[in-house]
Amino acid sequence: SYVLTQPPSVSVAPGQTARIPCGGENIGMKTVHWYQQKPDQAKPGQAPVLVMYDDSDRPSGIPERFSGSNSGNTATLTISRVEVGDEADYYCQVWDSSSEPSYVFGSGTKVTVL
Amino acid sequence: QVQLVQSGAEVRRPGASVKVSCKASGYSFIDSYIYWIRQAPGQGFEWMGWINPNAGGTKYAHKFEGRVTLTRDTSISAVYLELTRLTSDDTAMYFCAREAVKTTNYAFDIWGQGTMVTVSS
Repeated sequence: SYVLTQPPSVSVAPGQTARIPCGGENIGMKTVHWYQQKPDQAKPGQAPVLVMYDDSDRPSGIPERFSGSNSGNTATLTISRVEVGDEADYYCQVWDSSSEPSYVFGSGTKVTVL
Repeated sequence: QVQLVQSGAEVRRPGASVKVSCKASGYSFIDSYIYWIRQAPGQGFEWMGWINPNAGGTKYAHKFEGRVTLTRDTSISAVYLELTRLTSDDTAMYFCAREAVKTTNYAFDIWGQGTMVTVSS
């Protein structure tokens, strides 16, 4: 099966830039999507929000501070001018027709705003 | 607004079955595939299968074939996930999600709020 590798955590100060990598073999040949999942101490597993699709397209309502890129063996979600409200887990995802399962998620990166 | 609303939390004994519902509103139900994705506590996401609400066709991840069944009721814009022969490894939050309409590359743009399934003796 196709494997997506993400660092467990990234820390960033408010106002700075967070870069979240997602590694995979020739991932630049695939299309990458990104999801944000905010913690909720009241219940496990808040519903994820799509923050980037097709490598670098933002859904409506997602701030321009979010951007994406994909090349070679690494896709990257970049959050500029980070705010406290951006603190969350971020997951990359691809579809790979030759993989089982076909829909693959990264292990997630927790972004902590210092 | 466009939303998916799931049924409430479930507790089952090992060996039992569970059926979770996901009701769509705010868009044309038959126009977008619905996927089921689960997340074990503290873990990442795992795709289980999809259903075409229009024709009813389904596809399951190999890991779940034989144990999972996806169905739909177009009269009430709902899809259902049934998982049988439950074990403690099935304890997870189960999400339904809509295939994104702005891309043909299989993203998920609307998610249900999740249904916690706990398997415990």
